[in-house]
Parts: sequence; structure tokens; C-alpha cells
Amino acid sequence: DSGVTQTPKHLITATGQRVTLRCSPRSGDLSVYWYQQSLDQGLQFLIQYYNGEERAKGNILERFSAQQFPDLHSELNLSSLELGDSALYFCASSVGDGLAGSYEQYFGPGTRLTVT
Amino acid sequence: GQNIDQPTEMTATEGAIVQINCTYQTSGFNGLFWYQQHAGEAPTFLSYNVLDGLEEKGRFSSFLSRSKGYSYLLLKELQMKDSASYLCAVRAVNNDMRFGAGTRLTVKP
Repeated sequence: DSGVTQTPKHLITATGQRVTLRCSPRSGDLSVYWYQQSLDQGLQFLIQYYNGEERAKGNILERFSAQQFPDLHSELNLSSLELGDSALYFCASSVGDGLAGSYEQYFGPGTRLTVT
Repeated sequence: GQNIDQPTEMTATEGAIVQINCTYQTSGFNGLFWYQQHAGEAPTFLSYNVLDGLEEKGRFSSFLSRSKGYSYLLLKELQMKDSASYLCAVRAVNNDMRFGAGTRLTVKP
């Protein structure tokens, strides 16, 4: 158990819909990272927040957005869902902002999203 | 852009040593990570290199050559539980992380 929690574990929804995925980082970690993992694309970095502010952006679509709240939990919002958005979405957390040093990332168990 | 290459699959025997290579091309470099991922589970951190050389951690070692854009993960005394995918990831200076497609390692008795 990494100490990172994600809800829900599974989510099934229809095309065009909007969903929100939630992540609580390990106690004491200030950074939250979101990743998407699909069979054909592998693991893709989406976005990072550090202490409430956006710190880095990867391959995140404009239909997707995220935020980190004062209690440091984070939400990833996916809208206008398409079949291709079906994937495993991981959240990870680390102590620091990752710009210097290793800052090991601890991954949550993931949310499996299925768009039908 | 960033390009990260690693072999798709490897097979090794229990008790042996295996080396998983990773080559990368990046517009900026701020560290290379190795992760282990068992099927259906989350990735777990194995190692981090930012300077050239070898980092050793128990049965696992990771090597980096920045001038060659090359890293390897060395697994010694292989155990059946080491059967998993191994992901090489490069962090750019803007903190963007790019992952390779992963190497699926099968350890046979």
C-alpha cells in the first residue's frame, strides 16, 4: 500500500459524458501527478500540481482539467468523453516539486475508466 | 521532443542476471527513472539517476550515461516475482515525464 488513495476504482460511462476522478496523496506529500495508461499509448504523464499550483503539463487534452485543493487532494475532470479515453488513470504523489532531486513518486491503485 | 526506446520483451532464468537497456533522446534532461509494474497494478519506483554512473540498490542497479543517452537496469539473482514490466522514464527540465513502452520480463524456473 503506497498510501495514495484513488476513487472510484472503476467507472463506466457513456460517450459525451463528464467524470471526476479523485486522488488523496500520501500524508506529507505536496505534489500530485496524474497519468493515463492505455494499451496502445503506454503510460502518459498528464499534469502535476505542487502545493495547489500547476507545476508541469504533459500530454493533457483540452477536454481534461485538474486541480489541487487546499487539503492537497486532487481531482481530474474528464469531459466530452470519447471511446479512446478508456484507460487506467493513475495518481502519484511525492514530497517535493520534482524540479531538483529524485523525489520518488508513489502511485495510487488507479481508476479504470471505461467509456461505452 | 523526447523518444525513449527499450526492448519489448525479455526472458531470463531464475537465479540469473538480466540487463534491460533504455536509450533516450530528449530536448532537456533532469533525471531518469526506472519503475516496475506488475500486470494490473500500479508502477513502483525502483531507481533514479541524474549523474553518470551506477546506482546500486540491493539486487537492482541502474546505470546512466548522459552523453550516450543510455541507461540500463540490472537485476541480479532473479526471482519468479521479478516477472513484470519495467518502465524507463525521463524527466525533462520542465518536469514533463516521458515513459518508454516498457519491457515485459518473464522469469522462468
